Amino acid sequence: NAGVMQNPRHLVRRRGQEARLRCSPMKGHSHVYWYRQLPEEGLKFMVYLQKENIIDESGMPKERFSAEFPKEGPSILRIQQVVRGDSAAYFCASSSGQGKNQPQHFGDGTRLSIL
Amino acid sequence: GDSVTQMEGPVTLSEEAFLTINCTYTATGYPSLFWYVQYPGEGLQLLLKATKADDKGSNKGFEATYRKETTSFHLEKGSVQVSDSAVYFCALNRETSGSRLTFGEGTQLTVNP
Repeated sequence: NAGVMQNPRHLVRRRGQEARLRCSPMKGHSHVYWYRQLPEEGLKFMVYLQKENIIDESGMPKERFSAEFPKEGPSILRIQQVVRGDSAAYFCASSSGQGKNQPQHFGDGTRLSIL
Repeated sequence: GDSVTQMEGPVTLSEEAFLTINCTYTATGYPSLFWYVQYPGEGLQLLLKATKADDKGSNKGFEATYRKETTSFHLEKGSVQVSDSAVYFCALNRETSGSRLTFGEGTQLTVNP
């Protein structure tokens, strides 16, 4: 499967725990984006990364959320001290380049549930 | 800021009916426009796109025309099938917005046999 791979597909955490979501972009893609989809809503941009760099994190909550895309390995979205309001589907997308005409290819998402 | 507005759903049609899902946008400059489709439990799949005014994107029988004068990008299909049942998202991307996509709220389409 050469598509965007996200894992886990489903993640359950108790309040106060940490959640780690992983995303491997399509082969040859070096641009990664994270979006969050709350129930019955559209997707909201969180962060845009290239290898080892955060390009735009204007959609990320200021506290508890962080993202990285290391030189080797997948991109990681980390949520510390999770709360009920973090329950959502988190989607990763990748593209081969930057710019408005570049289509973004999405993974199947990680559905995070907070108990 | 940028925004995308889609017609309220859900939309329920019979097989072979004509489909229109309205989408209008607010953005400065010349954004690219996209339609994505999301099947239950899956991620978004790019359905079609248009990058400049009067462009028509098409794929799998779906079409949408970039209308700058009305800031619209309505999705149409002449004859829907049960397998078209899904959530459809309209989105835009501006060059100066850091490559982020701005999405509408989504429109749930159900096609009955």
